[in-house]
Amino acid sequence: GENVEQHPSTLSVQEGDSAVIKCTYSDSASNYFPWYKQELGKGPQLIIDIRSNVGEKKDQRIAVTLNKTAKHFSLHITETQPEDSAVYFCAATGAGTLTFGKGTMLLVSP
Amino acid sequence: ETGVTQTPRHLVMGMTNKKSLKCEQHLGHNAMYWYKQSAKKPLELMFVYSLEERVENNSVPSRFSPECPNSSHLFLHLHTLQPEDSALYLCASSQDRDRYNEQFFGPGTRLTVL
Repeated sequence: GENVEQHPSTLSVQEGDSAVIKCTYSDSASNYFPWYKQELGKGPQLIIDIRSNVGEKKDQRIAVTLNKTAKHFSLHITETQPEDSAVYFCAATGAGTLTFGKGTMLLVSP
Repeated sequence: ETGVTQTPRHLVMGMTNKKSLKCEQHLGHNAMYWYKQSAKKPLELMFVYSLEERVENNSVPSRFSPECPNSSHLFLHLHTLQPEDSALYLCASSQDRDRYNEQFFGPGTRLTVL
């Protein structure tokens, strides 16, 4: 089955800096890669996703890149703000069931 | 209420107790999911229901028993749990089981087994 590795497990940045979270996947048949954000006391919420037919997708301050050859994808957050502090999960799927990474706790200091 | 709701938000139970977790979605979705979230581990998919039929059961111990009486409600019945079952249990729903459909998560039930 699919295996998703996510790094780093914790990331601390200063407000205004950029943050990058990286994930690798094992199943070359995977073709859909969502990113979820989980704030304290809440369930995960989809923030951006990408399909395998594109290499990059951007939505305001967040972007995701995908390298199918290397089987890795990354989340980029620019101009970070304290409200970006949360746990971020990457996921991959090819057969309908999402396989999640272990999560990255992002801490943005004012 | 909107979105996906879960009750109770917190639950403490002994190993011999029987309890149930409830999930309700107000989105008109046809697929519902139970996940287990443990510290420093990926979300683990437990069960999937599509149009009220269980379509996936990921080798979950029989002490967890799901029930989906209609497309808006999902239950997880618990009995004779173990301390290692302590975790956050998340319910989610999506329009259907298509892989591209966003899953909407509830806030979870924090379960502690003593």
